[in-house]
Amino acid sequence: DAGITQSPRHKVTETGTPVTLRCHQTENHRYMYWYRQDPGHGLRLIHYSYGVKDTDKGEVSDGYSVSRSKTEDFLLTLESATSSQTSVYFCATRQGSNTEAFFGQGTRLTVV
Amino acid sequence: AQTVTQSQPEMSVQEAETVTLSCTYDTSESDYYLFWYKQPPSRQMILVIRQEAYKQQNATENRFSVNFQKAAKSFSLKISDSQLGDAAMYFCAYRSMEGSQGNLIFGKGTKLSVKP
Repeated sequence: DAGITQSPRHKVTETGTPVTLRCHQTENHRYMYWYRQDPGHGLRLIHYSYGVKDTDKGEVSDGYSVSRSKTEDFLLTLESATSSQTSVYFCATRQGSNTEAFFGQGTRLTVV
Repeated sequence: AQTVTQSQPEMSVQEAETVTLSCTYDTSESDYYLFWYKQPPSRQMILVIRQEAYKQQNATENRFSVNFQKAAKSFSLKISDSQLGDAAMYFCAYRSMEGSQGNLIFGKGTKLSVKP
């Protein structure tokens, strides 16, 4: 398995506060993704990156921003957390067009 | 836009028996990948099996096999000789071969219970 580490693993935060989730990979994979998982919705794409400083929006990007200043790190930021952003967040990486996606362990975020 | 539908929110199987999880998808593309992922209570997403749309032969990984019907846009997962460790959420996923995005599009999942 690819070395993908998400931090933190769990977080409780208050409405209106900024939150940053980190995804760190040691495999030098080109593509990185942030998904959120909610009951009844499966996993949905928030943002993705196809290289350093190259990012784009996914299906549910409102309220989220990302940054990728190094190959190994992909940050997801909630500028002002809302209760609707309570979810489990997954990072995934992939090397090339014909390769598998590998997932991190997930981060459970609760906004109160 | 592509969509993936899993019509069975929950399924149950007796240990050592066989169970089939259903998945249908919608796409206008001719080349793509299909996947089944397993998510046990640990929350880790584990790739179970992968199918390339251009391959007619159904993929098989030990006790897991798929029935890929391209014309019907159907991609079911068969688990043979079910074990207690197979209890998990199972997600069907689609990935396009076109463009640079390459993200997975997931169904809503099927929760599989295995009875001893």
